[in-house]
Amino acid sequence: GESVGLHLPTLSVQEGDNSIINCAYSNSASDYFIWYKQESGKGPQFIIDIRSNMDKRQGQRVTVLLNKTVKHLSLQIAATQPGDSAVYFCAENFAGNQFYFGTGTSLTVIP
Amino acid sequence: EADIYQTPRYLVIGTGKKITLECSQTMGHDKMYWYQQDPGMELHLIHYSYGVNSTEKGDLSSESTVSRIRTEHFPLTLESARPSHTSQYLCASSEGGGADTQYFGPGTRLTVL
Repeated sequence: GESVGLHLPTLSVQEGDNSIINCAYSNSASDYFIWYKQESGKGPQFIIDIRSNMDKRQGQRVTVLLNKTVKHLSLQIAATQPGDSAVYFCAENFAGNQFYFGTGTSLTVIP
Repeated sequence: EADIYQTPRYLVIGTGKKITLECSQTMGHDKMYWYQQDPGMELHLIHYSYGVNSTEKGDLSSESTVSRIRTEHFPLTLESARPSHTSQYLCASSEGGGADTQYFGPGTRLTVL
């Protein structure tokens, strides 16, 4: 059902600046992680993934960093553009079982 | 762009009605999933399937049911809709064989009056 009064963490950045979105995951045994982007009225869209045997992975304008010691995942977006405005979710997976999704961070890019 | 489709995109319906949310994918994926997402909240898994004739319940208790008669289709049915079912329902699919990327449909926004 609907939830009222709860707000996403938010991040506002100037166009052209770099963005860093953070995620704390819960299961120290999780071995696969995905970052998704969800624009208003749309389903989540895959951005980048990383497996636990890596601590960094780069894509086009995006970098994911994994710190297994503190169970922390971050998404860095270089030269943020207005089209990057969306909600960003991290998802964790252990041994091919179901994914667990974080709450999400709302990114707003200021032109 | 993922080839996974959901219909309807928006549905407003009265309490007590039976509804079916459609999900289809043309990628030949074995695994399919239904998630429920309230505004500004995380996704919660309500049903999933590993293949034809396979259906499982997720972590979130749900009064819905699913079926998987064909690889491409994974419909979700609510026998008697209630206002508490008002939410966004997202369908996803993945190739299978372990942890792999899930591709999401555009979602169905359901409002039960």
